[in-house]
Amino acid sequence: TQLLEQSPQFLSIQEGENLTVYCNSSSVFSSLQWYRQEPGEGPVLLVTVVTGGEVKKLKRLTFQFGDARKDSSLHITAAQPGDTGLYLCAGAQWNNDMRFGAGTRLTVKP
Amino acid sequence: DAGITQSPRHKVTETGTPVTLRCHQTENHRYMYWYRQDPGHGLRLIHYSYGVKDTDKGEVSDGYSVSRSKTEDFLLTLESATSSQTSVYFCAISGGAGNTIYFGEGSWLTVV
Repeated sequence: TQLLEQSPQFLSIQEGENLTVYCNSSSVFSSLQWYRQEPGEGPVLLVTVVTGGEVKKLKRLTFQFGDARKDSSLHITAAQPGDTGLYLCAGAQWNNDMRFGAGTRLTVKP
Repeated sequence: DAGITQSPRHKVTETGTPVTLRCHQTENHRYMYWYRQDPGHGLRLIHYSYGVKDTDKGEVSDGYSVSRSKTEDFLLTLESATSSQTSVYFCAISGGAGNTIYFGEGSWLTVV
């Protein structure tokens, strides 16, 4: 079993719709990061959240870190085809061991 | 883009042969990592290094060894490749605990 569980695993929506992706764990993390990965490339960092309850916004993307620092969510408003990709969450443990979820593969259709 | 170079980018090898993947960084970052990425499993940590000659195992280290003789180079070796090691391998670097992790472009390894 994964240390970080992401849901849904796959998501296909129409352009303009809103969506939320979840990242859950029973473990506490010192920080949590979200990455986006395009086919044939390595993951690229979107955001890092550190404080329990923290909310960060990046244009149409809103990231939230749970109060207990065990879970996080990514909300995209008015999705666009350019948002298509694999979204990965990663939790940093206290020994700097970074663990990743399996990812959510998002497809936004024009 | 972070200065990370992985080589080779693509390799096909036969079962039982040794394989070494190389990661080279120009950022002088202390931490270096090797991950493998497989469908349904996401990225899984194989080994990581927190300094020259300082390495530790990740969650899927069996069948792999690593070496770091210089700050800029981190080598991943499969002593005797098996088909279960067919995967995409990513090298990553970071400046420290909780810092941003930067990934290389990946090495596609097929073991036949």
